[in-house]
Parts: sequence; C-alpha cells; structure tokens
Amino acid sequence: EAQVTQNPRYLITVTGKKLTVTCSQNMNHEYMSWYRQDPGLGLRQIYYSMNVEVTDKGDVPEGYKVSRKEKRNFPLILESPSPNQTSLYFCASSLGQVYSPLHFGNGTRLTVT
Amino acid sequence: AQKVTQAQTEISVVEKEDVTLDCVYETRDTTYYLFWYKQPPSGELVFLIRRNSFDEQNEISGRYSWNFQKSTSSFNFTITASQVVDSAVYFCALGWLGYKLSFGAGTTVTVRA
Repeated sequence: EAQVTQNPRYLITVTGKKLTVTCSQNMNHEYMSWYRQDPGLGLRQIYYSMNVEVTDKGDVPEGYKVSRKEKRNFPLILESPSPNQTSLYFCASSLGQVYSPLHFGNGTRLTVT
Repeated sequence: AQKVTQAQTEISVVEKEDVTLDCVYETRDTTYYLFWYKQPPSGELVFLIRRNSFDEQNEISGRYSWNFQKSTSSFNFTITASQVVDSAVYFCALGWLGYKLSFGAGTTVTVRA
C-alpha cells in the first residue's frame, strides 16, 4: 500500500531534549516536506526537499533541522525543543513539482513541557 | 508575499444544505497552483482538487464544485446537498516557485443531521 509513515504518533518531551520524528514514503517520490499545524494558523511549511541531499527552508524553519540522505526518508530533528514547538506535525511527499498533490502521513502530536 | 485567506473560521449547516467555502489568495507569480485539502475528524489530510493559474475552467465532481476566478483571486469550493460525512476542516493552499506551498487557516464545516 502506498503510504507516508510517520513515527511516533504521539510524543511528550521536556524542553531541551533532542528528538527526531521519522518520515518514510514507499512511493519513490522525489519531493518531501514537513508542516506544522496550529489552531487558527493552518499548516505552515517547515522544510522541504526536492531530492536526495537537496533541502530548503519553508516559512517556519527556526528550531528545526532536516536531512535527506535517502530518497524514502526525511526525518525532522528538534535539537533543543521548546514549548512553542508543541504542535501537530505532518510529513508529506509528492512526485515532484509543487503542482503534484501531496500525500500526507498521519501526523505526530508533539508536546514539549 | 504569498498568502491564502480563508475568512470563514467555522460553518455549521443542516444536512442537505449547500455550503460554500471561500478562499482568496495573493501572489505576484504568474504561474501558480491552487489546491483544496480535507481533514476529517480522524485527522488525516486528503487531497481534493488542484488548479493551475492558466486554467480557469470550473469543475464539478459529484457533490463538490470549484469556482476559480483570477480576476478576484478566488478559488471557492461548494458542497451541494451536504452530508454528515462532509464534516471536516477544509484547507485551501497556494503553490509557487516549484516547491513552496502556503495553506490557509482552514474552515471547519459541521454538518448536522
């Protein structure tokens, strides 16, 4: 089954403790991206990747890191999480250019205390 | 700057009523793409439709229809004869520069039986 898999689904952590949210897709998609969803703000793009080893900042990249060493994987790294990063995170992938519809993962709800 | 505005935060209707969701966008690009995504209560994000800036043809798909008007920078979405299963958050999104994507804040639609 074609899908985007995020792990974990829920995560509670403390301020400053490094964490990684994994994202994997099995559709051989070139494009992958991360979004955070906050009430009243919709989804905001954090980072995106056009292909292996090619990444760029979205609208809200501060406090996040990403890497794309393999085509299928695009982990989101929070080196020193803070409470303002408490949010619902979505990973997505698509065939290529922005006109391709996104396939989303099921989301990761992160709470930073 | 690229911007998507969904002025309606919440809409509540009784089953079988029609509901129209407004989306207004801002962009200086001549080539861009517009999307609608649905997020049902289960939380996943589902692609509904895509339009490019050169295609103003309106579209009907079952009970869903979309009205794209470049003159008013609007891409509105209508659900005809709404059903309880249409209850969801609906996001309008704007894609440009090949890889960037901006979402509106979303409109929560509640359809009451």
